[in-house]
Amino acid sequence: EVQLVESGGGLVQPGGSLRLSCAASGFTFSRYWMHWVRQVPGKGLVWVSRIESDGSSTSYADSVKGRFTVSRDNAKNTLFLQMNTLRAEDTAVYYCARWVTGYWYFDVWGRGTLVTVSS
Amino acid sequence: QSVLTQPPSASGTPGQRVTISCSGSSFNIGTNTVNWYQQLPGTAPKLLIYSNNQRPSGVPDRFSGSKSGTSASLAISGLQSEDEADYYCATWDDSLNGPVFGGGTKLTVL
Repeated sequence: EVQLVESGGGLVQPGGSLRLSCAASGFTFSRYWMHWVRQVPGKGLVWVSRIESDGSSTSYADSVKGRFTVSRDNAKNTLFLQMNTLRAEDTAVYYCARWVTGYWYFDVWGRGTLVTVSS
Repeated sequence: QSVLTQPPSASGTPGQRVTISCSGSSFNIGTNTVNWYQQLPGTAPKLLIYSNNQRPSGVPDRFSGSKSGTSASLAISGLQSEDEADYYCATWDDSLNGPVFGGGTKLTVL
């Protein structure tokens, strides 16, 4: 079964850091671009970051550029999101999602992990 | 404010046909294919329609998508209570160099 499972969320103070993980299983992880998408509870979906299949190229939304870093370990089938200098507005559920290149859509989503930035 | 514009809400009675619109620009919908995601309460988004009008395996043919110019729409026929969910359109934006979403439409089955 194709599956993505996020972990690492929690409560962190403003200015703090957190590292999210996304464990992939049931498919050849190294062949896919992967993304992070977040959702403030009760609000819409917002793209955060992407990383190409071999990790050679990354991209970020302006709102997180310079503070967040996406990476992956293809040997361990795991995607990461290092989040630094966190702000209250980063509070959201963070989803990892698999991207189908060539057709340009997310075909598999994880269940998400909640990040709460608050003092 | 989302790059793609959707109505915040839609509603219908069981058996009815409902459509949800999604408006963009030449940088996104006008150039790239549109996808739709369904998010049931308390769950992760699920791919509903890809490449404007294609259904993944397992998605009922009651769901259909279309695109014209810089707009797209999702139609749900034979509305059922289990269709009550949030629906999001999405596509690639060439100016932002990333995926963009609509603000979501909350569908209520009366």
